[in-house]
Amino acid sequence: GEDVEQSLFLSVREGDSSVINCTYTDSSSTYLYWYKQEPGAGLQLLTYIFSNMDMKQDQRLTVLLNKKDKHLSLRIADTQTGDSAIYFCAESMTGGSYIPTFGRGTSLIVHP
Amino acid sequence: GAVVSQHPSWVICKSGTSVKIECRSLDFQATTMFWYRQFPKQSLMLMATSNEGSKATYEQGVEKDKFLINHASLTLSTLTVTSAHPEDSSFYICSARDRGTGYNEQFFGPGTRLTVL
Repeated sequence: GEDVEQSLFLSVREGDSSVINCTYTDSSSTYLYWYKQEPGAGLQLLTYIFSNMDMKQDQRLTVLLNKKDKHLSLRIADTQTGDSAIYFCAESMTGGSYIPTFGRGTSLIVHP
Repeated sequence: GAVVSQHPSWVICKSGTSVKIECRSLDFQATTMFWYRQFPKQSLMLMATSNEGSKATYEQGVEKDKFLINHASLTLSTLTVTSAHPEDSSFYICSARDRGTGYNEQFFGPGTRLTVL
């Protein structure tokens, strides 16, 4: 299986919360990231979390990490149409020179 | 700050020709630049890592003679797809690490869409 797995699609109504989930296989992951990619554009780092943290909040974004289950989630509160994009989960390790390994991305569609 | 540009943003070429893609860090010096390839609905696949002034390190399965990488300065890396074929059509994205911060964050360029006819 893949090192980082995500569901491919998520559709939510504007104003609702979105939760994007990710699982990873490597227990030695040091950093876990969430990137956003808008159509035809490169990746933008949204947030990251160290592996020794359980939660990180940054304005509308909340990242939860369950190390036991190797599960990472990104919650977007009050989702807006401008949040429509592909969201990539990624992990990196100290031994891997911190080069991220990406999941396939989750397409978030926000409808009115 | 931390802006990475790519040129061109899209290119269409005939099969058998070579195409050069530039990646520039506009407001910082990049110790390391990375080249990725992305297929539709797929993840980013790391092709190679390039350090200024040294040869690029290619990932397994990536042909170094096919994808030539030159990292001539701390702000510029180029990827040349030689003798391009339709199967090379893809979205190529570069990223760069800031020499000044020492932090491992990568800043991504906007990508280059290559279509080989």
